[in-house]
Amino acid sequence: AQSVTQPDIHITVSEGASLELRCNYSYGATPYLFWYVQSPGQGLQLLLKYFSGDTLVQGIKGFEAEFKRSQSSFNLRKPSVHWSDAAEYFCAVGGAGTASKLTFGTGTRLQVTL
Amino acid sequence: GAVVSQHPSWVICKSGTSVKIECRSLDFQATTMFWYRQFPKQSLMLMATSNEGSKATYEQGVEKDKFLINHASLTLSTLTVTSAHPEDSSFYICSARGVGEWETQYFGPGTRLLVL
Repeated sequence: AQSVTQPDIHITVSEGASLELRCNYSYGATPYLFWYVQSPGQGLQLLLKYFSGDTLVQGIKGFEAEFKRSQSSFNLRKPSVHWSDAAEYFCAVGGAGTASKLTFGTGTRLQVTL
Repeated sequence: GAVVSQHPSWVICKSGTSVKIECRSLDFQATTMFWYRQFPKQSLMLMATSNEGSKATYEQGVEKDKFLINHASLTLSTLTVTSAHPEDSSFYICSARGVGEWETQYFGPGTRLLVL
């Protein structure tokens, strides 16, 4: 069975500081990994995704994530956080094939202090 | 690109009535659409998967007679909550997966349902 663990429920960072959100996954085959962001009362916006190739992927809004197979991790990073980045962040894992589904982590709520 | 809309964004209804929520892919054709439910401060729970022109596949524990899903075209899926009760109050989010991009789901903005 596939699963995603986001160990940090809530993170607070100062504006301008760097950010790293952790994600660990369990998947029996080659994982397809995603990070989504959700603002309050809104749907999910895709930040970035990893399928294969370069293990460091760039996304929108200055985010990047690194896939580390040996650690089963796909951590999200941003060098300098902006107040508008405050939101809920979800890591998700899926697989190949049209029947694949996404399994989401429980989310990490990011608070940004000015 | 890859925009998904939902309508309505908010709905309040009386207990016992039915509510229909629409999910549309605006700039791509969606062979598969998904319906999720999200409780406050929790993650997304997949309710069902719908493929255009065929019956939806429901996740274990989801009542198919209560949550009717129709995927009549490549750009539209609907979720009807029948005989709604207060415990059905929730945030419902749809997502769509396009032709030739089957691995990525694009999400709608969600519909908040309140049953009185």
